[in-house]
Amino acid sequence: NAGVTQTPKFRVLKTGQSMTLLCAQDMNHEYMYWYRQDPGMGLRLIHYSVGEGTTAKGEVPDGYNVSRLKKQNFLLGLESAAPSQTSVYFCASSSSGTGAFATNEKLFFGSGTQLSVL
Amino acid sequence: GQNIDQPTEMTATEGAIVQINCTYQTSGFNGLFWYQQHAGEAPTFLSYNVLDGLEEKGRFSSFLSRSKGYSYLLLKELQMKDSASYLCAEPPGNNRLAFGKGNQVVVIP
Repeated sequence: NAGVTQTPKFRVLKTGQSMTLLCAQDMNHEYMYWYRQDPGMGLRLIHYSVGEGTTAKGEVPDGYNVSRLKKQNFLLGLESAAPSQTSVYFCASSSSGTGAFATNEKLFFGSGTQLSVL
Repeated sequence: GQNIDQPTEMTATEGAIVQINCTYQTSGFNGLFWYQQHAGEAPTFLSYNVLDGLEEKGRFSSFLSRSKGYSYLLLKELQMKDSASYLCAEPPGNNRLAFGKGNQVVVIP
């Protein structure tokens, strides 16, 4: 059972470089999320998607873009990486969201991507 | 608005009981989640409370008081494998989950 798969697992970038993180889920989930986790800051939501073709901003969206062209994939892009984007990035998915529609829907997380920007 | 507050770290011995607290402020309440995260790994779901009271799942229990904006996670008969960070999280209402900073529990022999 693959669940939620993130690639790559590790990456080192130079300031100004671009890259795309890929998240894939095989559970037919509607909702997908990108979080970043920094020491002392907890998990912070970057962007999320409530279905194929939709995206929305989270708590810390600046410097990131996302796309959800296919239901199973959610891509996170960094157009011009900065040292402040050094972090661990987690993708997650849920079947029907965690708001008013289905308040007991848990998130399934990928294993994370460690990104360092020099 | 929404604000989740958790203490940061605690140490306990094997076999002991620890309580991890979480307070939240939100204009609308959609339940409260607890997740466990081992070092270097992804968070995994532990429990969900939407009604007041205690929910028990084996060695772990979670309590909620909506009137006080307060929840706690109770870990009983601590084992070494329980060393992890424990995150409370609350949906602010629009299909997303907001996490607290987490409480690190270190279990010692």
